[in-house]
Amino acid sequence: DIQMTQSPSSLSASVGDRVTITCRASQDISNSLAWYQQRPGEAPKLLLYSTSRLQSGVPSRFSGSGSGTDYTLTVSSLQPEDFATYYCQQYYGNPTFGQGTSVEI
Amino acid sequence: QVHLVQSGAEVKKPGASLEVSCKGSGYSFDFHYIHWVRQAPGQGLEWMGVIYPSGGRTTYAQKFWGRVTMARDTSTDTVFMELRRLTSEDTAVYYCARDGVFGNYGGKWFDTWGQGTPVTVSS
Repeated sequence: DIQMTQSPSSLSASVGDRVTITCRASQDISNSLAWYQQRPGEAPKLLLYSTSRLQSGVPSRFSGSGSGTDYTLTVSSLQPEDFATYYCQQYYGNPTFGQGTSVEI
Repeated sequence: QVHLVQSGAEVKKPGASLEVSCKGSGYSFDFHYIHWVRQAPGQGLEWMGVIYPSGGRTTYAQKFWGRVTMARDTSTDTVFMELRRLTSEDTAVYYCARDGVFGNYGGKWFDTWGQGTPVTVSS
């Protein structure tokens, strides 16, 4: 299985901050990467797929980039509803997820 | 609007079997893969496998080979996930999730999720 390593595992931020989360794959995944947001007690929500394609209805403050083994999720201006845990997921092989990044106040 | 609605919470004893259902609505159910993902308490997400409702083709994660079966009933737009020989390590919330791509190639990202089914395995 392809291993996904996210960093940091948690971060503290304030409303209005620019936040960046990184995800590294154990092999080249050719942009086959999605990002999800999960609030406590809720199911995950798709934010981006194919590295940088924004899912319908997701605010444009979320963006993604990367290639090869290294990928990034950026939130340009953190809003109160963005405090949550974020997961990357590769789908080049059978799906695997990063361990998550908790974004806290 | 696309919805996936799962069956309710379960409490099981070690060694028992579990079945969770997932009913789709608001889209062409037959032609989107349905994946199963679980999340142990306080842990991350783990993919278990996938079923294509049209034809019933399945792929399972190696970790669950021999212990999991996924099936579908296209007359009711429902898929089922059975997990056998439960242990305490199977205590988790189980999610079904729709593949983001229409058709039998699939995309393997998940654009719609069920509400989750909490499962507790305890003697």
